[in-house]
Formats: sequence, structure tokens, C-alpha cells
Amino acid sequence: RKEVEQDPGPFNVPEGATVAFNCTYSNSASQSFFWYRQDCRKEPKLLMSVYSSGNEDGRFTAQLNRASQYISLLIRDSKLSDSATYLCVVSLTHPQAGTALIFGKGTTLSVSS
Amino acid sequence: DTAVSQTPKYLVTQMGNDKSIKCEQNLGHDTMYWYKQDSKKFLKIMFSYNNKELIINETVPNRFSPKSPDKAHLNLHINSLELGDSAVYFCASSQDGTTGREQFFGPGTRLTVL
Repeated sequence: RKEVEQDPGPFNVPEGATVAFNCTYSNSASQSFFWYRQDCRKEPKLLMSVYSSGNEDGRFTAQLNRASQYISLLIRDSKLSDSATYLCVVSLTHPQAGTALIFGKGTTLSVSS
Repeated sequence: DTAVSQTPKYLVTQMGNDKSIKCEQNLGHDTMYWYKQDSKKFLKIMFSYNNKELIINETVPNRFSPKSPDKAHLNLHINSLELGDSAVYFCASSQDGTTGREQFFGPGTRLTVL
């Protein structure tokens, strides 16, 4: 089983649509959770951290269920500029006190007019 | 100013050659990383450096060696390049190595081994 698994893409939606991405992680010792965004041929950039209480940033809402080891991202009122690959990421602490980010393979979103 | 920079952006080379990729961050961060993104777009940690000490060395071949002259730089040296090394290599940094910290990525170096 992969450490971080995401919905296969691509998601093709019209402007204004609401789209949801799901993600599961296998290691219950995972400590922190994020959604990163990666545009084509660019570097990943942090979109938002994900907290157990759920958190919202404008049109984006992230949820975490530790019991189910499940993370979600909801995008409301999709814009053309939301087209990108969304990476589900968990953080694990290595025994030697380092921290690694474990990335999912990403889900591609394409928003059309 | 660019926060995390890498050079070169593109690198095309023959099998068997030795090459280096340079990374610099001007954020004053203590921890730097190297990631590899393969042809299937899967991004995977290779190395992590904190205050010039290697913290994480995932199971990468020993042909890959990170070198950190100071905490603002983490270079990646690759010996005896192989076809399978073709990928995009991203450098990243974070304020420290603790969980929860955002990591800032460089623009990537696209390595093609012929």
C-alpha cells in the first residue's frame, strides 16, 4: 500500500463548479498534513495546512480525520487559475529527529470556461 | 529575490558522467532537502540536511552525495549517471526540521541522461 494515496485524475470541471479531492495515508504516526499545489513544470507550493478541526482559506476547505487516516480538500467556485496538480502531503518524523514530507502522486484539476 | 534557487535549470548529459546541481536559500532556514520527481510525477525525499548534518538519507544509491558548504547551500553531486537518474530534482528548505513547517521549493533542475 502506498504511503499517501489520492484520487486518480484528471478532474475536468467548468468554472464555478465545486470539486473535492480525497486522500488517505497509511502511517498512523503521521504528524502534520498539508495540501501543496504544483503548476505544470513548476515547483510545489504550500496551499494550506490541514488541521483536525478543519480549516478554511477563502474558497478552499481542508478536513482531516485521523481515525480514518483521511484528508480532503474542497474547492468552491472554481476559477481557471485553480488548474494545477494538487498534492496531498503528510509529515513524518524520522527516528534521528528529522522530518520528511511524504507526497501523494497528485490529482490534476483542469477548470474550463 | 528568489528564496530558493537552483542551477542549472536544465542538464543534459551522457551516461557515466559526473554532475552537480547547486542549491542556495536566502531565507535563513536551518534545514534543506533534496527531492526527486520521476517521469510519473511522483515526488520523493532523497536527503535532508540540518546545520550541515545529514538527518535523513533515504535509500538512494551512494552515487548521489549531498554536500553542504554552509547552511545556505546544499549541493547534489551525482557520480556515474544512469538513464534512470533522468528526473526533475527539487531542492527545498524549511525554518527547522520539525514537523509542521512549510517547505519552500526551488524551481527544479530537469536532468536528462542520454
